[in-house]
Formats: sequence, C-alpha cells, structure tokens
Amino acid sequence: GQNIDQPTEMTATEGAIVQINCTYQTSGFNGLFWYQQHAGEAPTFLSYNVLDGLEEKGRFSSFLSRSKGYSYLLLKELQMKDSASYLCAVRDPNTGFQKLVFGTGTRLLVSP
Amino acid sequence: DTEVTQTPKHLVMGMTNKKSLKCEQHMGHRAMYWYKQKAKKPPELMFVYSYEKLSINESVPSRFSPECPNSSLLNLHLHALQPEDSALYLCASSQDQGRNTEAFFGQGTRLTVV
Repeated sequence: GQNIDQPTEMTATEGAIVQINCTYQTSGFNGLFWYQQHAGEAPTFLSYNVLDGLEEKGRFSSFLSRSKGYSYLLLKELQMKDSASYLCAVRDPNTGFQKLVFGTGTRLLVSP
Repeated sequence: DTEVTQTPKHLVMGMTNKKSLKCEQHMGHRAMYWYKQKAKKPPELMFVYSYEKLSINESVPSRFSPECPNSSLLNLHLHALQPEDSALYLCASSQDQGRNTEAFFGQGTRLTVV
C-alpha cells in the first residue's frame, strides 16, 4: 500500500514563507501531486512533480526527491487567503495508477 | 469549461430515503471518480469509472450505487444510508486514468443522514 505523511497543522504570518513537507513510501512511483483545499470546498490542483528538483509557479513552488521519498510545497509572500489544507497525493501502482491516494493533509493557518 | 459540477450542494435525507447525487463534466475526461471526505480527513476513494465502465470499487457498501450514463455524467444512488455516512461527497474527473493526469474536483455534496 501507500504510506504518505504530512504535518497535521502549521501556522505562519502574513508575508512570510512556509514549507510544507510530505514523505511517501510506495511500491511504484510516477509523480506526486499537491492540492489546496479551503474548508468546505473542493480540492484544487496546485502542482505535479515527477522528476527531481524544484518547480516554481508564482508564489508556490514544489520540490521532489525520489531517492528520499520526499516532497515539499513552498509558499512565499503568504496571504490570509492561503489559510487552507494542503494535501499531497500519489497514484497507487497496485491499481494501475488509477487510484489517487492522499496524505493526511496539513492545515495551514496564516495570521496577520 | 474546466469545471466539474455537482448537484445538489447540500442534501439531508432520512435513513429510509432514496436519493441521487449527480456529477457532470464537459472537459472530455474519460475517468471519473467518487470520493468521500469526513471532517478534517483527506478524501477517500469510493469508485473509479474509466471509459464509462466501473474499474475500481473500494469495497463500498451496496447502499451506495454508482452509475455512469455517458462519458460526461456520473451519478451516485443512495439508499438506506446510516448516520455515519454523513460526509462531503466529491466527484472528480481526469483526462484518463493514467499516471500523470491531475484530477479536477467538483464542489461536493454535503450529505447529512438523519
């Protein structure tokens, strides 16, 4: 099966930088996804990493190290609207990669 | 159109009721999914449809019955639910069931079973 770990909660201040970590163990790997979910709303896609390294998209960047089974999401210039849950996810190779399996999610609270 | 539309947004039903959740996408996606999400937990997969055929059932109780009438529509029929089935039900779609395709989620149906 899949084992995906994230910190449960993080707090940060508006304007700061925060790094949300995700570690995973899977028998087959073909990429890691990051989603943002505001309370009571749908998860929205943020990024996909399949190769090692950093991918930057505006204020958000995502990093992957396949050898370490590790990824992080970096949020810069934090805004109040960034308060949300952040979920990393991988596809389960035992289902032909059909099944998207989510980590426990990290609730980020941004304060003024 | 990059939306997945779910109806209704909220549903309250009794344990003897029969109701249906509906999901629609017009992105030409050939994989569609039902997820269940409890408060402060990640979404958990229930069903996957690939090219209108059921390809994964995550041992979901038979009181939940999925249906895919065509490539744009996905339904979830509910019958004789229990209070513990109260949750946010999310529909999602992706280009196919392939490895590197992200899933797009609908806004969900907030279901309360009384």
